[in-house]
Amino acid sequence: SQQGEEDPQALSIQEGENATMNCSYKTSINNLQWYRQNSGRGLVHLILIRSNEREKHSGRLRVTLDTSKKSSSLLITASRAADTASYFCATDARGAQKLVFGQGTRLTINP
Amino acid sequence: DTGVSQDPRHKITKRGQNVTFRCDPISEHNRLYWYRQTLGQGPEFLTYFQNEAQLEKSRLLSDRFSAERPKGSFSTLEIQRTEQGDSAMYLCASSPSNLADTQYFGPGTRLTVL
Repeated sequence: SQQGEEDPQALSIQEGENATMNCSYKTSINNLQWYRQNSGRGLVHLILIRSNEREKHSGRLRVTLDTSKKSSSLLITASRAADTASYFCATDARGAQKLVFGQGTRLTINP
Repeated sequence: DTGVSQDPRHKITKRGQNVTFRCDPISEHNRLYWYRQTLGQGPEFLTYFQNEAQLEKSRLLSDRFSAERPKGSFSTLEIQRTEQGDSAMYLCASSPSNLADTQYFGPGTRLTVL
């Protein structure tokens, strides 16, 4: 079963706008990661945030983590057509030796 | 290319046939993971290895599935007597030492069972 739930399931915006995706999870975690997947391809790691961190930045990406609400958000600023992809959050439940993925958000950037 | 590689990239087989996939992790990574992803879903964990030891298997991994990593380097995933429900993308990932490290994914093997 999948622990993470992404919201929205699909998001379509204009190039240049900001895109925000949310992830909720169920159990205590050590860290949370965001991955991107282009259609039919493997996953590319974007950013990892540890359970004792609240916010992290990487280029145009900003990730927040609220462990009290068991939720995270991924913000992509100044979106580009190349950002069109599916985005997944993945958590490692404490004591478990695996990543548990959500169902993903399909992001479409319209030129 | 020093990333995770998988072979083949695509496999079409008939129901009842056996298939084997190979994964070559990043060379210094001692952890190797297999995931399965069906259309429109996130990847689901199947199994993982620390060096040559298989330390955890998901209940998704029925007795028709077997994975090996004999020398602690590359790994194979075999599916016997394939069923149409086995059609999916099979993803391999590797990481250096523990779960707090990023997992690096290969391009996947897409299996279609006719």
